[in-house]
Amino acid sequence: GAGVSQSPSNKVTEKGKDVELRCDPISGHTALYWYRQRLGQGLEFLIYFQGNSAPDKSGLPSDRFSAERTGESVSTLTIQRTQQEDSAVYLCASSLLQGRNSPLHFGNGTRLTVT
Amino acid sequence: KQEVTQIPAALSVPEGENLVLNCSFTDSAIYNLQWFRQDPGKGLTSLLLIQSSQREQTSGRLNASLDKSSGRSTLYIAASQPGDSATYLCAVGFNQAGTALIFGKGTTLSVSS
Repeated sequence: GAGVSQSPSNKVTEKGKDVELRCDPISGHTALYWYRQRLGQGLEFLIYFQGNSAPDKSGLPSDRFSAERTGESVSTLTIQRTQQEDSAVYLCASSLLQGRNSPLHFGNGTRLTVT
Repeated sequence: KQEVTQIPAALSVPEGENLVLNCSFTDSAIYNLQWFRQDPGKGLTSLLLIQSSQREQTSGRLNASLDKSSGRSTLYIAASQPGDSATYLCAVGFNQAGTALIFGKGTTLSVSS
């Protein structure tokens, strides 16, 4: 596809369950980002992948959050033992290059609801 | 702490009006600034990207300006249309990798016909 694809679009889970969110970036985009958007809040940076470099995990809120990316393709964000505070829209973005000249292209997000 | 503030939080205008959305940031040492549009239930669409060395960027009816010294950016929308109704987000990049991209909470625009 032409854009960033995320799945599922919506996910409802019970507190304590694990969830896995998927992101397919635009083909050829080396940089991939995960953000979280809580209701009424700005976007929060979670994690960044750039090629084969070690990911920047500085935004992950706790050790229950982890993410993987295989090469320059699909990424998965995993949340273990979900809590109600994890309810948010999780957005994935990719860009062609890192740095000031490359705009971010976002997917439509996964809306996670923890009951 | 780097902060990005957008004013107003919400704006309602009649069709055809020109309008300005404001974004301010606390640290002038930025790499770039982006304006995004977010429609309900959708992801973000990049509208304009201004590099730190630039003063403005234009795309169609949109014009974004950047004044690093005062920590401000504006998004000017000319001849607004109902289809412009959306939330507009300002994001300031504080490092080259883009990992220190701080978003404002957005301005929700409603254009009535």
